[in-house]
Amino acid sequence: DQQVKQNSPSLSVQEGRISILNCDYTNSMFDYFLWYKKYPAEGPTFLISISSIKDKNEDGRFTVFLNKSAKHLSLHIVPSQPGDSAVYFCAASAAGGGADGLTFGKGTHLIIQP
Amino acid sequence: DTAVSQTPKYLVTQMGNDKSIKCEQNLGHDTMYWYKQDSKKFLKIMFSYNNKELIINETVPNRFSPKSPDKAHLNLHINSLELGDSAVYFCASSLGGGQFFGPGTRLTVL
Repeated sequence: DQQVKQNSPSLSVQEGRISILNCDYTNSMFDYFLWYKKYPAEGPTFLISISSIKDKNEDGRFTVFLNKSAKHLSLHIVPSQPGDSAVYFCAASAAGGGADGLTFGKGTHLIIQP
Repeated sequence: DTAVSQTPKYLVTQMGNDKSIKCEQNLGHDTMYWYKQDSKKFLKIMFSYNNKELIINETVPNRFSPKSPDKAHLNLHINSLELGDSAVYFCASSLGGGQFFGPGTRLTVL
């Protein structure tokens, strides 16, 4: 039973354009959402997060949008750069990002084409 | 100056053996975790420790036991290894909010 779903296994975007990665969740108790980036043979790297009391959070080229009614969040990367090519994981927590573990999606492999 | 470190990076062993993976964080975080990434690439929480107390144990076999000698360390001991234990194991830590992950340990059981 996947509580966090990333339905696109891969996404190809041209350098300089906007990358939009999507994530859906089913657990209404989730109140804290995160995006991680992962390169091969490395651990996931925290990118950006959003609390359920917000609908948008921005950090440089990265913006996360949260639509609670649709149980949907998305990560926008603009402009996309070659170094953004990686697997992106959406994750959620039901404890405000506290001591609970995170529930992860299966990841989306983002490929930035020159 | 690595924030979360794990040793070893690779571990190859025979079925039935007992092995340990070490994890250390120098971030001053008070909660540490172990995750397993299986062959389907799912990252799943196994344990978390907060102030040396186990908080979560997500249906993990009791062959797996976390040991935390102090707040900066959370080691994972695995007894009687099975083929299905082959996976990448990630340690993480947090102070609330985002979790910071180690580089992972690829365990292969032959």
